[in-house]
Amino acid sequence: DTGVSQNPRHKITKRGQNVTFRCDPISEHNRLYWYRQTLGQGPEFLTYFQNEAQLEKSRLLSDRFSAERPKGSFSTLEIQRTEQGDSAMYLCASSYDRDRVPEAFFGQGTRLTVV
Amino acid sequence: QKEVEQDPGPLSVPEGAIVSLNCTYSNSAFQYFMWYRQYSRKGPELLMYTYSSGNKEDGRFTAQVDKSSKYISLFIRDSQPSDSATYLCATTGAGSYQLTFGKGTKLSVIP
Repeated sequence: DTGVSQNPRHKITKRGQNVTFRCDPISEHNRLYWYRQTLGQGPEFLTYFQNEAQLEKSRLLSDRFSAERPKGSFSTLEIQRTEQGDSAMYLCASSYDRDRVPEAFFGQGTRLTVV
Repeated sequence: QKEVEQDPGPLSVPEGAIVSLNCTYSNSAFQYFMWYRQYSRKGPELLMYTYSSGNKEDGRFTAQVDKSSKYISLFIRDSQPSDSATYLCATTGAGSYQLTFGKGTKLSVIP
């Protein structure tokens, strides 16, 4: 395991459908983050987990979004009733709580297109 | 005003040039400053980070932070075509794990 793995890499869905993305962090990392990036913008924070506990959620994370990290390993991000505005790259990152340095390593992202 | 401002460019330089990339931030609580490189359609790759003010060097890359002026810089010496990418600055406060990113600057190094 050499990095953060995200699946699928691409997802095209019809408006109103539900989608779920998976993130497998670097194995010894206890913190896991979700970010969203739209074209021409930097990533925007959505939420993060320390082990299995979801410790912080952005106001960007509407009620249609839910994230889980059962057993503190992989994580899933689900979007219900997708809207065209949800089209973006969804990035997962992980870090190890060493000296409290937020040194986050990102996966390749899942590109979502809502049609 | 966004918390982190970054000129999106694009910036085009000849191979071998010294590149200067910059960000400003508004929140004086920010303590950690990161630079990420992102190739097209890929995830961001962490280049380096600094804590508080000062310089940090890693090969051809030097990061500088001036907290008095809330100014973050990344210098790339002897730029190569493989350095062509979008460079993102990011920052966060002590005890926080939520990164705030700039928009990114798109850099092209012309052979």
